[in-house]
Amino acid sequence: DGGITQSPKYLFRKEGQNVTLSCEQNLNHDAMYWYRQDPGQGLRLIYYSQIVNDFQKGDIAEGYSVSREKKESFPLTVTSAQKNPTAFYLCASSIVGHEQYFGPGTRLTVT
Amino acid sequence: QQQVKQSPQSLIVQKGGISIINCAYENTAFDYFPWYQQFPGKGPALLIAIRPDVSEKKEGRFTISFNKSAKQFSLHIMDSQPGDSATYFCAPGFGNEKLTFGTGTRLTIIP
Repeated sequence: DGGITQSPKYLFRKEGQNVTLSCEQNLNHDAMYWYRQDPGQGLRLIYYSQIVNDFQKGDIAEGYSVSREKKESFPLTVTSAQKNPTAFYLCASSIVGHEQYFGPGTRLTVT
Repeated sequence: QQQVKQSPQSLIVQKGGISIINCAYENTAFDYFPWYQQFPGKGPALLIAIRPDVSEKKEGRFTISFNKSAKQFSLHIMDSQPGDSATYFCAPGFGNEKLTFGTGTRLTIIP
């Protein structure tokens, strides 16, 4: 998993609560990404950031928020506005223009 | 939008056989064509990738074949081994940044 840490591995929350997923990398990569993976749908891009204090929406940003205050960290908040938050969330990082390296993922279950 | 279509959804191959997975895309602006390998409960890892100026690339037992006019590329795994059992994703994109993942192919290698 190459220097990308996601914690916790499993996360359980009640409906209506916001939850923040952690992603830390020690690869000195400028770019970081958040994906969501659902069964049978592959990975879909939520947000990405190519530089500190800047980030862009991906294909499914509604109901999510991010921050990039440090190069090493890119936390994702799943808000109560996200209609179907239960999923496997994957963080990735890269040198801009180069291969993306993925973390081990966080499986979020909201009931 | 169904920009990327991957087939088959699942594949069973005998040990020592050839595994072939296909990916069709619509966006002719894609300039990066990777295949990712994912084991259960883990993040995906880059297996092999190709740029559009090359029609084939081989790395060990893994080969990408690229057909620009047909807007298709495929992954061939020669001498398939039980350790190759995983889910494979094509993820064409712009540079290495905005990747569009296919829905995945679950490959099982049987003895």
